[in-house]
Amino acid sequence: QKEVEQDPGPLSVPEGAIVSLNCTYSNSAFQYFMWYRQYSRKGPELLMYTYSSGNKEDGRFTAQVDKSSKYISLFIRDSQPSDSATYLCAMKEKSSGDKLTFGTGTRLAVRP
Amino acid sequence: GAVVSQHPSWVICKSGTSVKIECRSLDFQATTMFWYRQFPKQSLMLMATSNEGSKATYEQGVEKDKFLINHASLTLSTLTVTSAHPEDSSFYICSARVGVQYEQYFGPGTRLTVT
Repeated sequence: QKEVEQDPGPLSVPEGAIVSLNCTYSNSAFQYFMWYRQYSRKGPELLMYTYSSGNKEDGRFTAQVDKSSKYISLFIRDSQPSDSATYLCAMKEKSSGDKLTFGTGTRLAVRP
Repeated sequence: GAVVSQHPSWVICKSGTSVKIECRSLDFQATTMFWYRQFPKQSLMLMATSNEGSKATYEQGVEKDKFLINHASLTLSTLTVTSAHPEDSSFYICSARVGVQYEQYFGPGTRLTVT
């Protein structure tokens, strides 16, 4: 079993839809949770960063962490065609230095 | 801020040759940089952690003699793939940690094709 599971998609939605992206994990020591957006043939771009449980909102993006269920989510409101990309979740233990563990990424396509 | 660049963006080399990839932090000093590789439709896999002025720390299963990492300054780390083989063909991405925060900022990646 992988430490971080993420549905690879592809997920196709119409413009304006609310998108929900999710990751589950098995390592209860993960304390830091991140979402990255990666366009084709580009490096990942940090979108959201949260510590421990709770919600964090930034513009159209909301990140949720439920440590009791070992489940994290990224919601995108009013999705745009420019949001079409692969979304990667990443996690880190408090005591593991800088090592991030990534999900495989979910490919999102927003149709105009 | 927190811009990381990589050069080249795409390189093709012949089997048995070596290729060097540069990673630069453009607007900040990075005491720690990271090298990842990514195969199609797969996760980023950490290869090594590069600390300025000291030897890199390699992840289990990564050959340190094959993937040479040098972090000679606070803004530059290099990855040299020695005696490259077709199975080394991949997308190599570097990242840098900003200050004492845990966020990592990634470069645009280098696509290596070994023929």
